[in-house]
Amino acid sequence: ETGVTQSPTHLIKTRGQQVTLRCSSQSGHNTVSWYQQALGQGPQFIFQYYREEENGRGNFPPRFSGLQFPNYSSELNVNALELDDSALYLCASSLLVDGELFFGEGSRLTVL
Amino acid sequence: EDQVTQSPEALRLQEGESSSLNCSYTVSGLRGLFWYRQDPGKGPEFLFTLYSAGEEKEKERLKATLTKKESFLHITAPKPEDSATYLCAVPGNTGFQKLVFGTGTRLLVSP
Repeated sequence: ETGVTQSPTHLIKTRGQQVTLRCSSQSGHNTVSWYQQALGQGPQFIFQYYREEENGRGNFPPRFSGLQFPNYSSELNVNALELDDSALYLCASSLLVDGELFFGEGSRLTVL
Repeated sequence: EDQVTQSPEALRLQEGESSSLNCSYTVSGLRGLFWYRQDPGKGPEFLFTLYSAGEEKEKERLKATLTKKESFLHITAPKPEDSATYLCAVPGNTGFQKLVFGTGTRLLVSP
């Protein structure tokens, strides 16, 4: 059974640029959630996707957007990057919309 | 607003020295409490889910308990490999799975 995989693992961008992060969910999981974790903080919910539709959103501006594909993989897009966007971005999948979350290793984004 | 508070922020133990981590929460209508372990630079690893007051779950040297206001993660005779940040989380009061996390307890176990 393959776990949640994310790419890239690390990346560096400059302010104003755009970034796309990718996630493959665990086998059989149809729900994907994205979290942002700043250094020394707990993860903060960005949004959740269920069957290719956004199923809920946290307090993040519209420049954070996402997609889920028919194979349940997902992308997180962030436009107009700001310095405060530097964080570990975590993808998590679950079997049910309100089920236990299983996280990937994360994508470490640094914005200069 | 849903809130999760963990204490202490950091804990240093000697190998074999048992202790407990605390997670207190304010959420209307608790629909579960989750414990995760996170190693530096890695994603959180699922440990336990607790659903009702009085429930307990165990895994190796870890035991999680739940009351109506808080949860404890008891670590018995810890080993250096138990060193990590332990996060607890509760589902927010929404119709979807939005986990509200605490800031975690950083545990360091010295040999």
